[in-house]
Amino acid sequence: DTAVSQTPKYLVTQMGNDKSIKCEQNLGHDTMYWYKQDSKKFLKIMFSYNNKELIINETVPNRFSPKSPDKAHLNLHINSLELGDSAVYFCASSSRPEVVDTQYFGPGTRLTVL
Amino acid sequence: SQKIEQNSEALNIQEGKTATLTCNYTNYSPAYLQWYRQDPGRGPVFLLLIRENEKEKRKERLKVTFDTTLKQSLFHITASQPADSATYLCALEGVGNTGKLIFGQGTTLQVKP
Repeated sequence: DTAVSQTPKYLVTQMGNDKSIKCEQNLGHDTMYWYKQDSKKFLKIMFSYNNKELIINETVPNRFSPKSPDKAHLNLHINSLELGDSAVYFCASSSRPEVVDTQYFGPGTRLTVL
Repeated sequence: SQKIEQNSEALNIQEGKTATLTCNYTNYSPAYLQWYRQDPGRGPVFLLLIRENEKEKRKERLKVTFDTTLKQSLFHITASQPADSATYLCALEGVGNTGKLIFGQGTTLQVKP
C-alpha cells in the first residue's frame, strides 16, 4: 500500500497553461505539505495544511493555490505556468501536532514547463 | 534567517568504511534535528531524529550526534555498503512550532565496492 501518492509523476506543459497535481495519503495523518525541489536539489516548503486548514504559506506566487477537500488529500493548482516553475514537487504528510514532525514524502511530480 | 549547510561535494568512500556527513546550522536553536535519505527520482525517507537534549542516537548501522554548542550534527554510517549510496538531507524545524522543516541541500554519498 502506498502511504503518500501523487499524480501525475511527470507533467510536461507549455508556458501559460494551468495544471494541477494531486496528493493523497492513507496514513491517517492530519497535516499535509507541498515542497518544491529545484535543480540544485534544495527542498523548500511551500504550503502546509492541518485538518483542511492552511497553517504554512511561504512566499510563493499566488499563481500557486493549494486545495484540501479533506484531510487525506492536498492538491496543488498552478495557474499561468512559467519556465521557473519547472521543478520536482513533493507532497508529504505527518501526524502533527500530536508527535514530533517526522514527515512521509510522496514519490514526487516532475514538472517541466516549455 | 535560519541557515543549514551540508557539504555539497559528493562523498566517495570504499565499502566497509565509515561514512561521516556533516550538517551545520546558524541563527537558530532547534528543538530537534532530522536526517532523511533521498534516492534519485524518489521522495526523501526519514531515517533518524535527535532532540536537543540528546547527544547521540543510533539505529542499526546509523549514528547521529547533535552538538548544540557547535551547532552541528554528524551522521555516521558504519560498515558502509553500495546500497547506502544516496543523498542524505538534514532538516531542522523552523521557528514557531508550525511543522515547517528547513532542509539542507544534501550530501551525496557514493560507496564503492
